[in-house]
Amino acid sequence: AQSVTQLGSHVSVSEGALVLLRCNYSSSVPPYLFWYVQYPNQGLQLLLKYTSAATLVKGINGFEAEFKKSETSFHLTKPSAHMSDAAEYFCAVTTSGTYKYIFGTGTRLKVLA
Amino acid sequence: DTAVSQTPKYLVTQMGNDKSIKCEQNLGHDTMYWYKQDSKKFLKIMFSYNNKELIINETVPNRFSPKSPDKAHLNLHINSLELGDSAVYFCASSQKWDTDNEKLFFGSGTQLSVL
Repeated sequence: AQSVTQLGSHVSVSEGALVLLRCNYSSSVPPYLFWYVQYPNQGLQLLLKYTSAATLVKGINGFEAEFKKSETSFHLTKPSAHMSDAAEYFCAVTTSGTYKYIFGTGTRLKVLA
Repeated sequence: DTAVSQTPKYLVTQMGNDKSIKCEQNLGHDTMYWYKQDSKKFLKIMFSYNNKELIINETVPNRFSPKSPDKAHLNLHINSLELGDSAVYFCASSQKWDTDNEKLFFGSGTQLSVL
């Protein structure tokens, strides 16, 4: 079985500061990992994904994440936060052998002016 | 064209009523899903269908009955609605077994309010 844990249900950063959202996974087989963003009253949009190729993955809007097998982590970063980054962020895991994507509990990012 | 579309966007109804939510995807995907997002934003899978066949039923009450008339459609019918059913329901699709394209596409959600 797979699972993901997101540390920190709320994260606040100043505009222009580094964004770091944490995700740790558990999987008995090689995982596929994702970060999704949800803006208020909208569906989820894919930011980036890891599917066993390069361990450093770049996504949309300047976000990137690094897959670290030794730490079972897939943390999301952005060098400089923008006000428009304020949203809910979800880490998710699946594997090639399952028909489900398991989501973390989400992290609400607040960007302070 | 919207990749995954679901209707209605809002659904307000009384306890005990029966309601349906419809979902269609035009991506040619084989797999479709229903997720429930509660008031704390927790996303939980309810059902997964592959080529019209039910693959996953995550201990959802049998008041919830999904139906997939073809692989592009996955509808959700809910009988005898209860207050606890109030949530946002998301339809999604993916193309499993295709590593390069492995990801979920979400609809915009249906906000269900049971009064």
